Amino acid sequence: ETGVTQSPTHLIKTRGQQVTLRCSSQSGHNTVSWYQQALGQGPQFIFQYYREEENGRGNFPPRFSGLQFPNYSSELNVNALELDDSALYLCASSPGTSLETQYFGPGTRLLVL
Amino acid sequence: GESVGLHLPTLSVQEGDNSIINCAYSNSASDYFIWYKQESGKGPQFIIDIRSNMDKRQGQRVTVLLNKTVKHLSLQIAATQPGDSAVYFCAENRVNNNAGNMLTFGGGTRLMVKP
Repeated sequence: ETGVTQSPTHLIKTRGQQVTLRCSSQSGHNTVSWYQQALGQGPQFIFQYYREEENGRGNFPPRFSGLQFPNYSSELNVNALELDDSALYLCASSPGTSLETQYFGPGTRLLVL
Repeated sequence: GESVGLHLPTLSVQEGDNSIINCAYSNSASDYFIWYKQESGKGPQFIIDIRSNMDKRQGQRVTVLLNKTVKHLSLQIAATQPGDSAVYFCAENRVNNNAGNMLTFGGGTRLMVKP
């Protein structure tokens, strides 16, 4: 186990709704990254948070937003859900923003109907 | 465009044999590579990593080889066991001014171990 936890494990929403996913980083890690993994594909980078600030972003629209808290836990928020948002959402923590290994949590499976 | 990809989508091996999973990358500026194992319903699990200034690194039953000349990465698993059955991803980690410390994943190779 990596020590990275995510909640909830599963979630069902309808199109147009909003969702918040949560992640607790591994002890000692100040950087959290979020990834989206569609079925049968590799994870896609959404964004990264370092010391409560967004430190980089992939090719995702602004309706994907995030937060990081002083204890380095993080939230991913998705507004105006679309059917294509159905995926496994993965959180990964690392001890910094240089070339550090990222350790993944178990993910949250989101289904949008 | 920049990509990290895998040659074979599925690899089937006999228990006890050695497995080799390959990966090609296109960005010559990549600094760091990681292999992850993902079992069904779980998040990716770190296996082994290698930095661009190395060409080989060994772990317990696993070896990663990096050929920068042809931009190729491989994962070798010795004496493959049923518990090794999973999807394996290679990932490129490069510090990017626009995207921080992001991982770029390939599409994955499914390893199936026959008893």
